[in-house]
Amino acid sequence: EPEVTQTPSHQVTQMGQEVILRCVPISNHLYFYWYRQILGQKVEFLVSFYNNEISEKSEIFDDQFSVERPDGSNFTLKIRSTKLEDSAMYFCASLRSWFDRGSEQYFGPGTRLTVT
Amino acid sequence: GENVEQHPSTLSVQEGDSAVIKCTYSDSASNYFPWYKQELGKRPQLIIDIRSNVGEKKDQRIAVTLNKTAKHFSLHITETQPEDSAVYFCAAASMDTGRRALTFGSGTRLQVQP
Repeated sequence: EPEVTQTPSHQVTQMGQEVILRCVPISNHLYFYWYRQILGQKVEFLVSFYNNEISEKSEIFDDQFSVERPDGSNFTLKIRSTKLEDSAMYFCASLRSWFDRGSEQYFGPGTRLTVT
Repeated sequence: GENVEQHPSTLSVQEGDSAVIKCTYSDSASNYFPWYKQELGKRPQLIIDIRSNVGEKKDQRIAVTLNKTAKHFSLHITETQPEDSAVYFCAAASMDTGRRALTFGSGTRLQVQP
């Protein structure tokens, strides 16, 4: 069964540094998402991406964040200047279509970001 | 925006008993309600979902009920087994217009005692 993949699995960075988290969504999916989960807390929506542009973003997704689909397969989340509070597990998810009755959001395994 | 409340935060049951987890949502535009199971350190995995045109859906030991009028939906697990132990999250989204991203509840840690 196809899966969403994410790299790296764990990223440690110093406060103020830029990080890029990478995701490869399932190949025939059209909607792409980034969520984050601070340790022990619920999953929170960051941004969704469809047709090569951001379709929705949450209040968490401020100017420090950006997303890109640089080629036909990768979907990246960039944090320009990391803060301690950015430490979390970041999940990528993809969805084939909202209008397919069997469709669901498939989550990747996550990237654990630790900001020191 | 959407707000999803989930209760209880922890639930401990004996193996073979039933478990019920409840969620409420605030946005009447929401019409898609999935439930995810998350084991420690793993990704959330969909276990069942329901769309607003039905009131109940069942898949073996798992069932979900939806009350659109009350903006309330519940997960029912029967004949619980130790491998059901995990954190369960409910979520809500609108498939049509507006917010198509999932808004998650705060999670329920289910512990099934053998």
